[in-house]
Amino acid sequence: DAEITQSPRHKITETGRQVTLACHQTWNHNNMFWYRQDLGHGLRLIHYSYGVQDTNKGEVSDGYSVSRSNTEDLPLTLESAASSQTSVYFCASSDGRLTDTQYFGPGTRLTVL
Amino acid sequence: GQQLNQSPQSMFIQEGEDVSMNCTSSSIFNTWLWYKQDPGEGPVLLIALYKAGELTSNGRLTAQFGITRKDSFLNISASIPSDVGIYFCAGMDSNYQLIWGAGTKLIIKP
Repeated sequence: DAEITQSPRHKITETGRQVTLACHQTWNHNNMFWYRQDLGHGLRLIHYSYGVQDTNKGEVSDGYSVSRSNTEDLPLTLESAASSQTSVYFCASSDGRLTDTQYFGPGTRLTVL
Repeated sequence: GQQLNQSPQSMFIQEGEDVSMNCTSSSIFNTWLWYKQDPGEGPVLLIALYKAGELTSNGRLTAQFGITRKDSFLNISASIPSDVGIYFCAGMDSNYQLIWGAGTKLIIKP
């Protein structure tokens, strides 16, 4: 069955370190998204991609970067982790350029000490 | 940025009760979505609404796309323990971006 996976599921790191969170989908979806979820804020969009080599900034993109070298993967990198980036991160994907139905991964809980 | 107002923030209900939650926005949306998130998992789509006035059911869940296109509600009838979780609304704006509500946490009293 097609799916979307994230790794690691849990990560503890120190302030200033570079961290990369992986997202892999086997739906063959064009669109991929990264969100962070914090108490009281719901889901906030970090970056998104509509296809290979396409990346776009979302609402809370500062301190994060993504690259899309193939259809299946959209890794999220924190160049220099900050305590404010402690959060739960969700990756999602959807089919087609304008479609709305997003399928979510299980999430990565990141703690920055 | 744009935000949806989702209410209530949390609900404490008895098993068997009906549940109602809603989302409102100052902006018009073309699509309304309702998701549920179980603890430790990602959100899962429950219902998608594409037309103003549309009323759609999924089992015990019913959702409606408001006539003004600025609101939507979700009803759950005869709640059961597995209904607990956080329910999110999301609206698609004219730029095809999904705007998310802050969630409604549903808790069933023992």
